[in-house]
Formats: sequence, structure tokens, C-alpha cells
Amino acid sequence: GAVVSQHPSWVICKSGTSVKIECRSLDFQATTMFWYRQFPKQSLMLMATSNEGSKATYEQGVEKDKFLINHASLTLSTLTVTSAHPEDSSFYICSALGGQGTDTQYFGPGTRLTVL
Amino acid sequence: AQSVTQLDSQVPVFEEAPVELRCNYSSSVSVYLFWYVQYPNQGLQLLLKYLSGSTLVKGINGFEAEFNKSQTSFHLRKPSVHISDTAEYFCAVSPSYNQGGKLIFGQGTELSVKP
Repeated sequence: GAVVSQHPSWVICKSGTSVKIECRSLDFQATTMFWYRQFPKQSLMLMATSNEGSKATYEQGVEKDKFLINHASLTLSTLTVTSAHPEDSSFYICSALGGQGTDTQYFGPGTRLTVL
Repeated sequence: AQSVTQLDSQVPVFEEAPVELRCNYSSSVSVYLFWYVQYPNQGLQLLLKYLSGSTLVKGINGFEAEFNKSQTSFHLRKPSVHISDTAEYFCAVSPSYNQGGKLIFGQGTELSVKP
């Protein structure tokens, strides 16, 4: 139980294009999902908290107009990197709170974004 | 605010040897504690967690951790490691008053198991 998927697992795009990453909770409903960014050999950096039906809460220093988050249903959150540039290349990981009242985040497998 | 310090960035160990990965935290409020494992190019998998109750927590793959409130530590141990345990391990905390709150991660410890 508590499986989270991400799609795509990797994506290569040209500079200036937009890329959408999907995060799905497969066997539970998640009112809250989180988006992280991870650079090589480093820890996870929280980008934003995504709540179903409301606007995402972004961490300080994260551009909300560049990293658009939509949490339209209890099982799906999307992260769109708009006008991507090479410095946006990174490993993006989502997580979802496992069920009502739980305090545990379950993580997706991550998406490797490379911007040329 | 909370912070997490993983005292070792890399831990090399031989197969079948015991291992301890150290984690200390700082917080002015009660916290929940977690250990996650990350295999190359993958997301994080929950190893174990401490929410309340017994301070000795057993997790998957033979790992266990002990919560020590006085020393503000949550060290991860395994009595005998396997090659397949080679991975990055992250300690994390979240404030217990904020159910489902943000996770604050340590810097990670790279466990390398050699034959």
C-alpha cells in the first residue's frame, strides 16, 4: 500500500519549453502532496506544498510563476516547469501524505529533467 | 525551527559487518522522526519511523533505530549488512504538532557495502 508514481521518469527538453510532471497516489487519497528538488549528491529541498483544491504554498526562494503546481484531485498533483532553462535541470521528487490522519510521507520514484 | 545533522557523509563497511548511521536533531518542540533510503536514481523509501511509544523502532530490511530524547539522537543500525544495502540514507524530522507537516532532511549518509 501507499504507492506513489511519477510520470515521466525522465525527460529531455529544449531551453524555453515547458515540462509537466505528474504525481499520483495509486492506492490512497492524498489531500496533501509535496514537491522536492534534489541536486546530485545532495539532500532534498522542499519546493512547495500542494493541497487539493487550493493554491500551493511555496518555500522561500522558489518562483511560483516558474514552477506551477496544480492539485486538482485527491490522487493527482502536477508540477509544470515553465520556460525551462539548463539551470532547472535536476531530479524532481514528489511525496504524498498516506491517508487521512497519517504523518508519513510516501515518495514517488522521481523525475530526471534535463534541459538542453 | 528544526534541524537535522547526519554526522557521517560516507560510511564504508564490509559485507556482514554491523553498521550505525548517526543522526542528531534540534527542535524546541516534540518531533516525529524518520529514516528513508534512496537507491540510485530512485525516490525515497521509508525504512522506519518514530511517532511515539517504544523508543526502539524496527523497520524493513533488518534496520532498527533508537530514539534518545536526552541526546536528541535517532541513530540507525543494522547488525549485518548486505551488498544490496548500498544506498543513500536520509534522516528526517517533522514537528509532531503539525500533523503531516513538512519534513526537514539531514544531508544524507552514503552507505557503501563492500564484499
